[in-house]
Amino acid sequence: GAVVSQHPSWVICKSGTSVKIECRSLDFQATTMFWYRQFPKQSLMLMATSNEGSKATYEQGVEKDKFLINHASLTLSTLTVTSAHPEDSSFYICSARSGTEQETQYFGPGTRLLVL
Amino acid sequence: GQNIDQPTEMTATEGAIVQINCTYQTSGFNGLFWYQQHAGEAPTFLSYNVLDGLEEKGRFSSFLSRSKGYSYLLLKELQMKDSASYLCAAMDSNYQLIWGAGTKLIIKP
Repeated sequence: GAVVSQHPSWVICKSGTSVKIECRSLDFQATTMFWYRQFPKQSLMLMATSNEGSKATYEQGVEKDKFLINHASLTLSTLTVTSAHPEDSSFYICSARSGTEQETQYFGPGTRLLVL
Repeated sequence: GQNIDQPTEMTATEGAIVQINCTYQTSGFNGLFWYQQHAGEAPTFLSYNVLDGLEEKGRFSSFLSRSKGYSYLLLKELQMKDSASYLCAAMDSNYQLIWGAGTKLIIKP
């Protein structure tokens, strides 16, 4: 099946710094990428949907100036957590969908962020 | 509004059978997904149903009734490694996934 990678797999940073997480589709062109956040023992929460070459669509309650999403190519999307704070510590997961398979999302392995 | 309901937690015995139910209400419908998620890992795809009926895939089967807005995941011959959370997700008319909160399945020896 299709493969989606995320980098880094985990990151520890100081409060106030910015962290960039990359999501790549390795063997297909991802016209749409999704960014999720998951707190311990909770389900996935969709943060935003990004289509290649256009601005991301953020879910209600997600600060677009804090969580910057860029989907500059058909194989790469990035999520930048700006001025991270301890409450931003979470498990961030991306998924990708190709234009030919609307019903299928392929998940990355996730990035665990810990802000001290 | 859009909503997915599934039990919070279930317990079953190794070697037994367990059925995890899911009911959904969405704006339009483009299929029902089941994912397995082990603690600390991303979800992995288990099944996709868009037509009514039962889809069998090894020890796992998934059932869908569109008229009732209902699905279940059936796990047979349970193994300890099946201990995980099972997420039900319905795809709406915009091809967006609406997620349930997940069912934590505990397998006992």
